[in-house]
Amino acid sequence: ETGVTQSPTHLIKTRGQQVTLRCSSQSGHNTVSWYQQALGQGPQFIFQYYREEENGRGNFPPRFSGLQFPNYSSELNVNALELDDSALYLCACRREGPRETQYFGPGTRLLVL
Amino acid sequence: SQQGEEDPQALSIQEGENATMNCSYKTSINNLQWYRQNSGRGLVHLILIRSNEREKHSGRLRVTLDTSKKSSSLLITASRAADTASYFCATTPSGNTGKLIFGQGTTLQVKP
Repeated sequence: ETGVTQSPTHLIKTRGQQVTLRCSSQSGHNTVSWYQQALGQGPQFIFQYYREEENGRGNFPPRFSGLQFPNYSSELNVNALELDDSALYLCACRREGPRETQYFGPGTRLLVL
Repeated sequence: SQQGEEDPQALSIQEGENATMNCSYKTSINNLQWYRQNSGRGLVHLILIRSNEREKHSGRLRVTLDTSKKSSSLLITASRAADTASYFCATTPSGNTGKLIFGQGTTLQVKP
């Protein structure tokens, strides 16, 4: 049990739609990162939030955006969904500092038709 | 792009045997972590080894790190059927604020 929860667990959308995924963690995990994991691949870093601001981003287009709230919960928003956005989306939470262990949630599986 | 390369991509062993997985990476790192993933669900953190450490143990797990060769290995001793999963190494590059770069993983099957 990592103390990190994600919702929903599964989601089906059609191309062009928008989606919001949510993540929350136990108190003290003030840094949250989001990852996309395509089938059969390792997770790829989307972006990271600390103190409600984005402070690192991977190679993902601007239609991937996020929010972090004062209680450290977070959202990942994806606009104009494409078929290739079908993947498992994972959030990872940790305390401040690059050496701290990151704790992953169970993920949201998104299918875009 | 993925930094880590894991070897082998797939491994099948009998219960009780040892399993060794290797990981190579490209840049200097702060630390390296190993994660387990069951059936495409969330990642479970197994062990973290810092760049100034060479070996670390946790239960049946042994991790080594060779920063000169930019490589790491994960040894699972006395494997069990419940160890069947995908295993990923993930590095935090030096100077980075915590981004993890994952390899493509090793799929381990432990036969009862």
